[in-house]
Amino acid sequence: DAGVTQSPTHLIKTRGQHVTLRCSPISGHKSVSWYQQVLGQGPQFIFQYYEKEERGRGNFPDRFSARQFPNYSSELNVNALLLGDSALYLCASSFFSGSPGNEQFFGPGTRLTVL
Amino acid sequence: AQSVTQLGSHVSVSEGALVLLRCNYSSSVPPYLFWYVQYPNQGLQLLLKYTTGATLVKGINGFEAEFKKSETSFHLTKPSAHMSDAAEYFCAVSDSWGKLQFGAGTQVVVTP
Repeated sequence: DAGVTQSPTHLIKTRGQHVTLRCSPISGHKSVSWYQQVLGQGPQFIFQYYEKEERGRGNFPDRFSARQFPNYSSELNVNALLLGDSALYLCASSFFSGSPGNEQFFGPGTRLTVL
Repeated sequence: AQSVTQLGSHVSVSEGALVLLRCNYSSSVPPYLFWYVQYPNQGLQLLLKYTTGATLVKGINGFEAEFKKSETSFHLTKPSAHMSDAAEYFCAVSDSWGKLQFGAGTQVVVTP
């Protein structure tokens, strides 16, 4: 079975631009979460979606938005890019939401560089 | 609010030696704890998790961790390091919705 897939793998943008990152969860998984991992740090939670509804949002500005589609895939959008948005963006999928012991499966990430 | 602290950003071990990675947590409710490994240019892979029950948890690749409530710790160990264990390791605690709060990570270097 295919794992979590993310596209693109790498992306270079300039300040002020907009970016869209995409994630396809493991087949059968209905929950998708997004994390930002800045170099040298642990991943930070951005969003969680379940059945197309936002179930949680981390401490990120409104420039960050996301959505989940009927096939459970997801997009993360970032507007007005800043240098500090340069990071590895990780998508994780799980079957359920709202369960603390639920295992999340991570994709390989999208490396975003903002110049 | 929950948080985790990983002691030591870098650990160097000799091949065949004990691997010990330290994690302390803070949680206002019974914690659900995880250890993930990240190899270069890859995503995170779950090593093991503690939910309830047995406090000694065995994971993949010979790793295990012990939940100690009195010490608020969840340290990761492996009796004998292998070159393939070189990676970054993250401890995490989950909130009631499954949102993971990660530590800053520990980079493990294995020397021959």
